[in-house]
Amino acid sequence: AQTVTQSQPEMSVQEAETVTLSCTYDTSESDYYLFWYKQPPSRQMILVIRQEAYKQQNATENRFSVNFQKAAKSFSLKISDSQLGDAAMYFCAYRSPSTGTASKLTFGTGTRLQVTL
Amino acid sequence: ETGVTQSPTHLIKTRGQQVTLRCSSQSGHNTVSWYQQALGQGPQFIFQYYREEENGRGNFPPRFSGLQFPNYSSELNVNALELDDSALYLCASSFLRGDGYTFGSGTRLTVV
Repeated sequence: AQTVTQSQPEMSVQEAETVTLSCTYDTSESDYYLFWYKQPPSRQMILVIRQEAYKQQNATENRFSVNFQKAAKSFSLKISDSQLGDAAMYFCAYRSPSTGTASKLTFGTGTRLQVTL
Repeated sequence: ETGVTQSPTHLIKTRGQQVTLRCSSQSGHNTVSWYQQALGQGPQFIFQYYREEENGRGNFPPRFSGLQFPNYSSELNVNALELDDSALYLCASSFLRGDGYTFGSGTRLTVV
């Protein structure tokens, strides 16, 4: 079974600065998907960024980028130019390739990000 | 394009009772998944429905059951509620072979 580990329960960053959230995972599969989700107080999970394991290039979405190290099974999220609206819980998630059976997400325990002035 | 809506937003039940939570999928999505998120934890996969049939299940007992309707909306039913069932229940819709999930804002269930 796949597992996802987020070792930073809380992180803090000053507005406009850069912060990196860590995630490691364990799997025996060679093809899979990785995600970072943001969960603000509104509780809705919002997709931040996704990465296909077969792609060597790290995904980027505006101020958000990842450092995907497949051999090390590491998938960190970098937030540049942090904004107050970035404050939320961040979850790393793993998904096996869909083969017709349930394409479930396996989540880590989350990192609470605080953004200070 | 409508998103995923869940009802009710909050619910308080007594131990031993039964509860039904509802989810309306995003337009065009054919698969619904349910997750349980205990306080301070990441969501845990309960089960997924595709074409009105259960398509996969996590490590949850049979008293957790579900339905998917022809319009792809879904229900989560929990019988014989226990205190540990207190959690946020999230619904997510998607395409079966897609990798895009749209989550609802969840139902906060408190069992007393």
